[in-house]
Amino acid sequence: DIQMTQSPSSVSASVGDRVTITCRASQGLSSWLAWYQQKPGKAPKLLIYAASSLQSGVPSRFSGSGSGTHFTLTISSLQPEDFATYYCQQANSFLLTFGGGTKVEIK
Amino acid sequence: QVTLKESGPVLVKPTETLTLTCTVSGFSLSDTRLGVTWIRQPPGKALEWLAHIFSNDEKFYNTSLKSRLAISKDTSKSQVVLTLTNMDPVDTATYYCARMNGAFLAADYWGQGTLLTVSS
Repeated sequence: DIQMTQSPSSVSASVGDRVTITCRASQGLSSWLAWYQQKPGKAPKLLIYAASSLQSGVPSRFSGSGSGTHFTLTISSLQPEDFATYYCQQANSFLLTFGGGTKVEIK
Repeated sequence: QVTLKESGPVLVKPTETLTLTCTVSGFSLSDTRLGVTWIRQPPGKALEWLAHIFSNDEKFYNTSLKSRLAISKDTSKSQVVLTLTNMDPVDTATYYCARMNGAFLAADYWGQGTLLTVSS
């Protein structure tokens, strides 16, 4: 099975900061890479699909990029409502795996 | 409006079989572009995918849990059922069902989740 390694596991940042989260796959992926945001006590929310496509209704400060084994989620200007945990997810051969998560905390 | 709602027990004993139901609305389980997936999250830990099922009844399972899992659907009732056998305290988690977009294999709508505890 493909393993997904996210880094960092946590990051402290201020409102207005640019934040980048990385996800590395144990083997090369197709473009079926998604990013989710989860707030405490809530279900995850889809932000990005197919590595770089923005889900409807998601602010444009969120962007995704990457291919092969290296993918990134970037928040261009962190807003108060963005403090949350973020997960990547791959779907190679219809079998899903998630990364370990990155908690974005207030500095 | 797309909604999904999980239902099932809040407590099961070790060795018992868990049965969870996901009732969906706002889309059809016969829609060839869509599927339903189950994902769980132990307290304070990361998400773990369990299984999904598509309109053509094609099923996919987490490799590590495959021997314990079964997924099925009743299109007429708009329900997807997940069973997990031989429950253990490590299976304590919030269990989510979500709609799977078959075009890009991501979960675009989620249920609120149901917390299950495994304890004697």
